[in-house]
Amino acid sequence: AQKITQTQPGMFVQEKEAVTLDCTYDTSDPSYGLFWYKQPSSGEMIFLIYQGSYDQQNATEGRYSLNFQKARKSANLVISASQLGDSAMYFCAIQRGGSQGNLIFGKGTKLSVKP
Amino acid sequence: GAVVSQHPSWVICKSGTSVKIECRSLDFQATTMFWYRQFPKQSLMLMATSNEGSKATYEQGVEKDKFLINHASLTLSTLTVTSAHPEDSSFYICSAMGTGGGETQYFGPGTRLLVL
Repeated sequence: AQKITQTQPGMFVQEKEAVTLDCTYDTSDPSYGLFWYKQPSSGEMIFLIYQGSYDQQNATEGRYSLNFQKARKSANLVISASQLGDSAMYFCAIQRGGSQGNLIFGKGTKLSVKP
Repeated sequence: GAVVSQHPSWVICKSGTSVKIECRSLDFQATTMFWYRQFPKQSLMLMATSNEGSKATYEQGVEKDKFLINHASLTLSTLTVTSAHPEDSSFYICSAMGTGGGETQYFGPGTRLLVL
């Protein structure tokens, strides 16, 4: 069975600084996908970044990058140059059962960006 | 691209009534849609997997007869909460995957259900 662990219930970061949100996972699948989503107070789930288990390089999308350490089973999200609009809940997720499966989410980290 | 809509965004109903929530993929065809539920300050939990043209697959503990799912076309899945009770009050959110088999799931904006 797959499992996602996010150990930081809440994080604070100063505007314009970088922040790392932790995520560790457990899976017995030889191939898997890892995702990060942002959920603002409105509730919508906004896709941020995807990392495939066989991808050679860490994923990057604008100010978001994923620090993927396969041996440690960690997939931390790095947000550079934080903005006030980055304040939200952030969920790490792993895809179950291959590329057509549902997502299993961690408990989330609430990020607050201070001006 | 890859837009998923949900309707309604908010619903308040009396206990015992049924509520239908629609999930539509607007600019792509979705063979698979997922329905999740999120209680306040908690994570998303999968309720069921909806496949076009076949019966939905429900997660353990989710009542099939209470949460009816219909995936009648490649762009529409519906979730009907039958005989809703206050404990069904939650945030219901769907996601969709395209027919191309891409990994990314796109989420609808969610539906907040309040049962009085």
